[in-house]
Amino acid sequence: GAVVSQHPSWVICKSGTSVKIECRSLDFQATTMFWYRQFPKQSLMLMATSNEGSKATYEQGVEKDKFLINHASLTLSTLTVTSAHPEDSSFYICSARSGRNYGYTFGSGTRLTVV
Amino acid sequence: QQQVKQSPQSLIVQKGGISIINCAYENTAFDYFPWYQQFPGKGPALLIAIRPDVSEKKEGRFTISFNKSAKQFSLHIMDSQPGDSATYFCAASYRGSTLGRLYFGRGTQLTVWP
Repeated sequence: GAVVSQHPSWVICKSGTSVKIECRSLDFQATTMFWYRQFPKQSLMLMATSNEGSKATYEQGVEKDKFLINHASLTLSTLTVTSAHPEDSSFYICSARSGRNYGYTFGSGTRLTVV
Repeated sequence: QQQVKQSPQSLIVQKGGISIINCAYENTAFDYFPWYQQFPGKGPALLIAIRPDVSEKKEGRFTISFNKSAKQFSLHIMDSQPGDSATYFCAASYRGSTLGRLYFGRGTQLTVWP
């Protein structure tokens, strides 16, 4: 079946630094990539959606300059948290689909802790 | 406005019992209704999904019941096992749109006692 590989699975960084999270679709072309943020015991909150080769569409309230999304190829999308602060600490999850009328495959998530 | 409403928030079931989680949606354009299972520290994994032209779908111990007129769908877990203890999310989407985002319910934390 479809597999999305997300790395790293966890990362600790110092406040003010930037962190990059990668998601790769291993056996299909991810025409659309979704990035979510999840707080403990809460649902997934969509941050942004990107189509390959296009700029990401950010949800209301999500700072596009803080959460940089790049979807330059059909198999790779990255989320960069710039100038991270402790309030950015969260669980980040990517999801990919290979076109309309196809299902959604989720990555395993990245636990970001900013100290 | 929450597009998908899920209940209950938490559920405790004895081993061998039936777990039932309910969801309701607003947008009649939705054409894909998946259920996801999530364990702590992991991403959601697709459990089972249904389209609105089908009233029920069964895969092993998991069954989705779909009521289009009531705009409701539910997940039934038969013979619940301790290994089923996880958080379950219902979702809905209109996959024909260019972006086709998923709208998630708030989740149900299921605990199955041995």
